Amino acid sequence: GAVVSQHPSWVICKSGTSVKIECRSLDFQATTMFWYRQFPKQSLMLMATSNEGSKATYEQGVEKDKFLINHASLTLSTLTVTSAHPEDSSFYICSAGAGEINREQFFGPGTRLTVL
Amino acid sequence: AQRVTQPEKLLSVFKGAPVELKCNYSYSGSPELFWYVQYSRQRLQLLLRHISRESIKGFTADLNKGETSFHLKKPFAQEEDSAMYYCALSGRNAGNMLTFGGGTRLMVKP
Repeated sequence: GAVVSQHPSWVICKSGTSVKIECRSLDFQATTMFWYRQFPKQSLMLMATSNEGSKATYEQGVEKDKFLINHASLTLSTLTVTSAHPEDSSFYICSAGAGEINREQFFGPGTRLTVL
Repeated sequence: AQRVTQPEKLLSVFKGAPVELKCNYSYSGSPELFWYVQYSRQRLQLLLRHISRESIKGFTADLNKGETSFHLKKPFAQEEDSAMYYCALSGRNAGNMLTFGGGTRLMVKP
């Protein structure tokens, strides 16, 4: 089946620094990738939809200047948390869409961000 | 607007008992419904989708448009079924975007 990887799997950073998280589709091309945030014991909340070669579409309440998303190729999307603060600590998960016909999404393993 | 509701945060049953995880949705068009499962320390993975009408690991789910429900059922729960289950909806006009329910933690006791 389709595999999506994320790197790093865990990152700890100081407040004020920026952190980049990569999401890769390993064996298929993903024109659309999605970024989610998951708080402990809560469901996934969609942050943004990332389309290859165009600007990301952010959900209401998500600061696009804080969470920079780049989808430079059909197999790579990045999420950069700029000037991170402790409240940004969370589990960030990406997924890749399999296409318009098959609307299944394939999920990465997630990245745990801890901001000190 | 699309919305998915899973009314139970936690469902605890004994091994061998029937299981039903409830899911209700709100969507004005023709949705595609999914159940995703997340086992402990593993990534989210697709369990089943309504259009395929499959039975995966003994689980089935029927889309009831009249009741706007997509409940997940299994006649005899196994301990290895213990996991988080998420119901999700994809709207035809929303690309591949998924809207997730709040999730239900299923605990199957021996």
